[in-house]
Amino acid sequence: DAGVTQSPTHLIKTRGQQVTLRCSPKSGHDTVSWYQQALGQGPQFIFQYYEEEERQRGNFPDRFSGHQFPNYSSELNVNALLLGDSALYLCASSFGGRGRHYGYTFGSGTRLTVV
Amino acid sequence: DAKTTQPTSMDCAEGRAANLPCNHSTISGNEYVYWYRQIHSQGPQYIIHGLKNNETNEMASLIITEDRKSSTLILPHATLRDTAVYYCIVRVASMDTGRRALTFGSGTRLQVQP
Repeated sequence: DAGVTQSPTHLIKTRGQQVTLRCSPKSGHDTVSWYQQALGQGPQFIFQYYEEEERQRGNFPDRFSGHQFPNYSSELNVNALLLGDSALYLCASSFGGRGRHYGYTFGSGTRLTVV
Repeated sequence: DAKTTQPTSMDCAEGRAANLPCNHSTISGNEYVYWYRQIHSQGPQYIIHGLKNNETNEMASLIITEDRKSSTLILPHATLRDTAVYYCIVRVASMDTGRRALTFGSGTRLQVQP
């Protein structure tokens, strides 16, 4: 049973460029969340998607956007990259079914470096 | 979700029990205690969660005090592979828990020494 897969694993972009990160959730999960983790800090919540819509959003600017596809996979897009966007981007999937509270399953992340 | 307080770092000898404390003095009656860990360069991994009773699984034990204001994660026989950052998170477990964001603090960096 595959867990959460993210691509690419590493990425180097130039300031001002745009980037797209991809995530495939664990089988049976319908909800995808994205987190940003700067070096030495805990992950920070960016947003969450289920039923192909953004349902919750953390304190991140509109430069951060996303999408969820009918097969539950998701993309994170960041426009006008800043040096401060350099971080590990984590995707987490979960099942949002009623009456349950499962733990999240995280991918290994995409390491984005902005130069 | 209630705030948590954890020590910044801890050391533990290999083969000994690692006891990681967490304070959550403002926890409310319907909030659960969750523990995740993050091994270097990997995503966080779910360990265990509990409400008020002590819990045990194949990875760890969770001891929650009677007043629920603090808890301890116990790794019974720590190995070098348990070296990681451990996060204690308090959150409401409701019908839509699978769709509520996790709020991570800075966690405890556990170093298991050979």
